[in-house]
Amino acid sequence: QVQLVQSGPEVKRPGSSVKVSCQASGNTFNNFAFHWVRQGPGQGLEWIGGIIPSFGTTNFAPKFQDRVTLSADESATSVNLELRNLRSDDTAVYFCARVGPITLVRATITFYYYYMDVWGRGTSVTVSS
Amino acid sequence: DIQMTQSPSSLSASIGDRVTITCQANQDIGTSLNWYQQRPGQVPKLLIYDGSKLHTGVPSRFSGSASGTDFSLTISSLQPDDVATYYCQQYDDLIPSFSFGPGSKVDIK
Repeated sequence: QVQLVQSGPEVKRPGSSVKVSCQASGNTFNNFAFHWVRQGPGQGLEWIGGIIPSFGTTNFAPKFQDRVTLSADESATSVNLELRNLRSDDTAVYFCARVGPITLVRATITFYYYYMDVWGRGTSVTVSS
Repeated sequence: DIQMTQSPSSLSASIGDRVTITCQANQDIGTSLNWYQQRPGQVPKLLIYDGSKLHTGVPSRFSGSASGTDFSLTISSLQPDDVATYYCQQYDDLIPSFSFGPGSKVDIK
């Protein structure tokens, strides 16, 4: 059974950084991309960015481009989100989600599907002074 | 930049009613649209992908239609289990990148 297990809740000061991890189980790591979505209190869903661990490629929503780093640890089958220079409006639940599977077609990364079918349970990040 | 709007933002309907939520893109995105259900306190769940394809295990009362800029999610017979917020999600398959609509909250009258 495929599962994405996320790290625990975080409380951070404004201006600091937070790192959230997401571990994939069930043989779902190498052939998929992993994307991050956040949801502020009482708010909608907001896409942050994604990573393809087997190729190390990343992409981001423009508003997060300068403050987010995505990384992957293939040995631990986990992906990580680091958000820097935290502000109070970064207070949210951060979800990781699986997208794919992917394959190489004539040296081009190709996705079979472009939907988020497996989600982690979310990590609460609170930014407060 | 592709912007998504959804309507209505909220609705109340009776058990058994047919409910339709719409999502509009500001440019033609073909069928590059997914729908998710998020029940209160829960994780989003994929319902429909590529505009009109029902995801595995999703009840057949859910359906989607797509036509370039206008998309709809229909619940043919509303059930208590369907109380949730529904989000459309546009994707750009070049990279890929995603964006969500603002959501439509469905309650039971």
